[in-house]
Amino acid sequence: GAVVSQHPSWVICKSGTSVKIECRSLDFQATTMFWYRQFPKQSLMLMATSNEGSKATYEQGVEKDKFLINHASLTLSTLTVTSAHPEDSSFYICSARDRGGGDYYEQYFGPGTRLTVT
Amino acid sequence: DQQVKQNSPSLSVQEGRISILNCDYTNSMFDYFLWYKKYPAEGPTFLISISSIKDKNEDGRFTVFLNKSAKHLSLHIVPSQPGDSAVYFCAASFFTGTASKLTFGTGTRLQVTL
Repeated sequence: GAVVSQHPSWVICKSGTSVKIECRSLDFQATTMFWYRQFPKQSLMLMATSNEGSKATYEQGVEKDKFLINHASLTLSTLTVTSAHPEDSSFYICSARDRGGGDYYEQYFGPGTRLTVT
Repeated sequence: DQQVKQNSPSLSVQEGRISILNCDYTNSMFDYFLWYKKYPAEGPTFLISISSIKDKNEDGRFTVFLNKSAKHLSLHIVPSQPGDSAVYFCAASFFTGTASKLTFGTGTRLQVTL
C-alpha cells in the first residue's frame, strides 16, 4: 500500500514553454501533498505544501507564479513549471500524507520527475 | 541555513560489517526524525523513524539512535548488505499546528563492498 506515482518520469522541454507534472496517490487519500526539488548531489528542498481544495503554501524563495500547484482532488496534485528556463532543470519529487491514518509525520514519496529545459 | 546536516558525503563498508550513518541538527523544535533510502532517479523510500521522546528505535537490521542533548542521530545497519548501497537521507520534522514539513539533510552515499 501507500503508493505514489508521478507522470511523466522524464521530460525535456524548450525554454519558455510550460510543463505539467502530475502526482497521484494510488491507494490512499491524501489531504496534503508536498513538492520537492533536488539538484544533483544535493538535498531535497521543499518547494510547497498543497492541501486539497485550498491554495498551496510556498517556501521562502519559491516563486508561486512560476511553480503553479493545484491539488484538485484527494488523490491528485499537479505542479506546472511555467515559462521554463534551463535553471529550472532539476529532479522534482512529490510526496503525500495518508489522510486515513498512519504516522502523522510520515510521507510517501513518488518516483520523481526529471525535467530538462533546453 | 542547513538545519539538518550529514557531514559525511560518502561511506564505504564491507559486507557483513556495521554501517553507521550520522546526522546532526540545529533546530531544537524538531521532534520527529526519519531516515530515507534513495536510489538515483527514484523517490526516497522510508526506512525508520524515531520520536524525540525516545533514544532508540530498532527495526530488523536498522537501528536509529537519538541523542537530544547533542542534537545528533545515527542510523546503524547490521549486517550491511550489497543491496544497502544507496544514498541515505535523514529528515527532521515538527508539527506547526497545521502541517508537519520534512527538512532533509544532504545525504550520505553508502557503498557496501563484497
